[in-house]
Amino acid sequence: NAGVMQNPRHLVRRRGQEARLRCSPMKGHSHVYWYRQLPEEGLKFMVYLQKENIIDESGMPKERFSAEFPKEGPSILRIQQVVRGDSAAYFCASSPSFSNYGYTFGSGTRLTVV
Amino acid sequence: GENVEQHPSTLSVQEGDSAVIKCTYSDSASNYFPWYKQELGKGPQLIIDIRSNVGEKKDQRIAVTLNKTAKHFSLHITETQPEDSAVYFCAASGNNDMRFGAGTRLTVKP
Repeated sequence: NAGVMQNPRHLVRRRGQEARLRCSPMKGHSHVYWYRQLPEEGLKFMVYLQKENIIDESGMPKERFSAEFPKEGPSILRIQQVVRGDSAAYFCASSPSFSNYGYTFGSGTRLTVV
Repeated sequence: GENVEQHPSTLSVQEGDSAVIKCTYSDSASNYFPWYKQELGKGPQLIIDIRSNVGEKKDQRIAVTLNKTAKHFSLHITETQPEDSAVYFCAASGNNDMRFGAGTRLTVKP
């Protein structure tokens, strides 16, 4: 069981480009959560998805950010027209059911916007 | 929604001493309280959790206590070792909603 797989581990984008972050949940987990972490700060909730459904996107900026978890394939967090303030570590977590189980986190994608 | 506060933000102890990290939560519907440890450059790892039907849980040198009435819970690490140095996050979860504290950077000095 490979755990939660995130790729890429590091991503560098120029301002205005698009960033695509991928997350494959643990086998048997159908719930995916994305969090953003700025240096020396905590984990800020962004979005909670189940297969083909967005359950809660209250933490995600309304513009430029989108997330999906298709029937087949990984969950994708997409950031369009990146700005320097988007530089952060983005963590994905998965669980077998809704949030009353411990999440398993991936190793994160560190996005740097130059 | 849920709001979780965590104290202290930094904690430095001597090897062998105990460390205590405290969290409070706002939503009385929250019923699951996990603790995560994050080492530099890695994702958070679940180290212990407690549900609202128990008041205390222990796993070797780590224990967690929960006071539902006061809406606070604490992590206790005894006989600390240098490898315990990391950032620790508490979290509270209820209905489709898990929120994290801001984290505590624990440093254990040899």
